[in-house]
Amino acid sequence: KAGVTQTPRYLIKTRGQQVTLSCSPISGHRSVSWYQQTPGQGLQFLFEYFSETQRNKGNFPGRFSGRQFSNSRSEMNVSTLELGDSALYLCASSLPGLPNTGELFFGEGSRLTVL
Amino acid sequence: QQQVKQSPQSLIVQKGGISIINCAYENTAFDYFPWYQQFPGKGPALLIAIRPDVSEKKEGRFTISFNKSAKQFSLHIMDSQPGDSATYFCAAALSGSARQLTFGSGTQLTVLP
Repeated sequence: KAGVTQTPRYLIKTRGQQVTLSCSPISGHRSVSWYQQTPGQGLQFLFEYFSETQRNKGNFPGRFSGRQFSNSRSEMNVSTLELGDSALYLCASSLPGLPNTGELFFGEGSRLTVL
Repeated sequence: QQQVKQSPQSLIVQKGGISIINCAYENTAFDYFPWYQQFPGKGPALLIAIRPDVSEKKEGRFTISFNKSAKQFSLHIMDSQPGDSATYFCAAALSGSARQLTFGSGTQLTVLP
């Protein structure tokens, strides 16, 4: 069974640009969550999507947005990039139908560098 | 009040020894406490998880101890192996929001052969 697939794995952008990251969840998983990982702030929750609806959102500015498609694939977008947005962006999928087990299956991440 | 504090930041243990990582939380509404393991270049992977209705959970060499009154929980790795060398994160989630995890800062574990 294929795991969570994130693309691209690495990308470099300059300040002010925007970026779109893609995530394909494990087949059958309908919930997708996004996390930002940095050396300074650690792992921080961005948002969660289920059935194309955002269920929860972390404490990030409006420049960070996301969406989920009918096939459960998800994208996140960061507009007007800042140097501090350099991070590893992790996508995780899970089976919300199970009794709140909460197990997240993470992808290997998209490493964004903002110059 | 949403923070989860993790210690130590790094830990070096001899092969066969016991590794202990501690976490503390403030928000008593947290009701799900997982531990994740992350190897370099990989995403975190769930290791073991506990809910506050039990004080201990064991899976193989990994044990979570949970102290609800002290608002603390810890991970014990028995018979630590070089393959256990990784970064470990504790986390906590509110009821009904198990996928919105608040993570600790991580502990880099090195097990010497």
